[in-house]
Formats: sequence, C-alpha cells, structure tokens
Amino acid sequence: NAGVTQTPKFQVLKTGQSMTLQCAQDMNHNSMYWYRQDPGMGLRLIYYSASEGTTDKGEVPNGYNVSRLNKREFSLRLESAAPSQTSVYFCACQGGDRHINQPQHFGDGTRLSIL
Amino acid sequence: EDQVTQSPEALRLQEGESSSLNCSYTVSGLRGLFWYRQDPGKGPEFLFTLYSAGEEKEKERLKATLTKKESFLHITAPKPEDSATYLCAVQAGMDSSYKLIFGSGTRLLVRP
Repeated sequence: NAGVTQTPKFQVLKTGQSMTLQCAQDMNHNSMYWYRQDPGMGLRLIYYSASEGTTDKGEVPNGYNVSRLNKREFSLRLESAAPSQTSVYFCACQGGDRHINQPQHFGDGTRLSIL
Repeated sequence: EDQVTQSPEALRLQEGESSSLNCSYTVSGLRGLFWYRQDPGKGPEFLFTLYSAGEEKEKERLKATLTKKESFLHITAPKPEDSATYLCAVQAGMDSSYKLIFGSGTRLLVRP
C-alpha cells in the first residue's frame, strides 16, 4: 500500500534550470496538494487540485506551475529555478468532498537544492 | 488573518516524563484541527482530527484535546520512539475551502 509516491527524492539544480516534481497517489482521493516546508516555518500551500481537471493557487504560487494529469497524478513544475526555491516539497491527497473534513495524507517529500 | 502557533518550539523529556504540547489558533470558522507526527526525512503522518471544543482523541501514549482557542497534545510516559516533530494544522473558513494552515511544529526529543 504505497499511498502517496513522490519522485525524485533528491535533486540539485542550477539557477535558471527547469524541472518537474512528480506525485502519484493510489488512494483514489479526489483532492491533491503541493506544499513546501522551510526551516522554522510551517508547511505552506503552493497549489492544490480539488478534483481532476481543476487547479487553484495556494499561499505561495509564484514561480511554480502545476498539472493534474489524471485522478492519480499531480505534478509541480519550476520553469526557471531560483535559490529561494530551495526547500523540501511535499505532495498530499485527501478523500471525501469539501464538506467532510478528512485528513490529508502526505508523501515523503522531494528535497530540492538550487545553486 | 488566520494563524496557528505551536509551543514550545523544542522539548526534551526523559523517558517516562509526561508533558503537553500546545497549539493555539485564531481562525474564522474552525472546521477541523489536525495533529500530525513527522519523522526526519519523512512526510507528516496523520494522528488525530478534532472538530469541536471539548472533544478528545487518544492513541497509545498520546491524547489530543480541543478548546475554542487551542489544542493540547498530551504525551503520557513517553518512550524514545516518540521522538519526532509534531505538527498542528487547522482547516477553517466558511467558503467550503479545505486548505490547511499549519503551525511550525514542536520538536520532541525523549531520552532513554
């Protein structure tokens, strides 16, 4: 039972390079989320997808784009990486509908360093 | 502005020494409060959901409680394997949004 799988686990980029972080869930959940976690700060929402075919901005969307490829997969793209985007990125999924406060389930993260 | 604050930032306990972690929140229309455990190099692992003041949930040595302004995570007779960062998050808002607002966590170290 994998739950939420993120790839890659680690990545080092140079400033200006682009890359896509992949996330897949096998929990058959409708909603998916991308967060970043920085030292001393709580998890901050970058983008989310309430259901297949929809995406919305979170608290810190600048410099990122997302694609909800299908119900299982939700990718995060950095078009031109900046050192300020060095962080640990977490993907999460959530079942139920917007009226049911189900917990979110997280992957183990992608550790991204931008030089 | 919706806000979640956790205290203390770090806590060191001896094995068997009970204590409590605090999560205070100021949000409009609390819809749920969540506790997670995060081990180094891992993603947050769900522990509890609390929905209304007065509610309590228990799991092994952990007990979570909720008031109108804060939640406590009580750890009874902790063991070294309880060492982790504990995160609190709230879901709020009357617009049916289900985004979570996270605190910055409490790092717990339990020494044998």
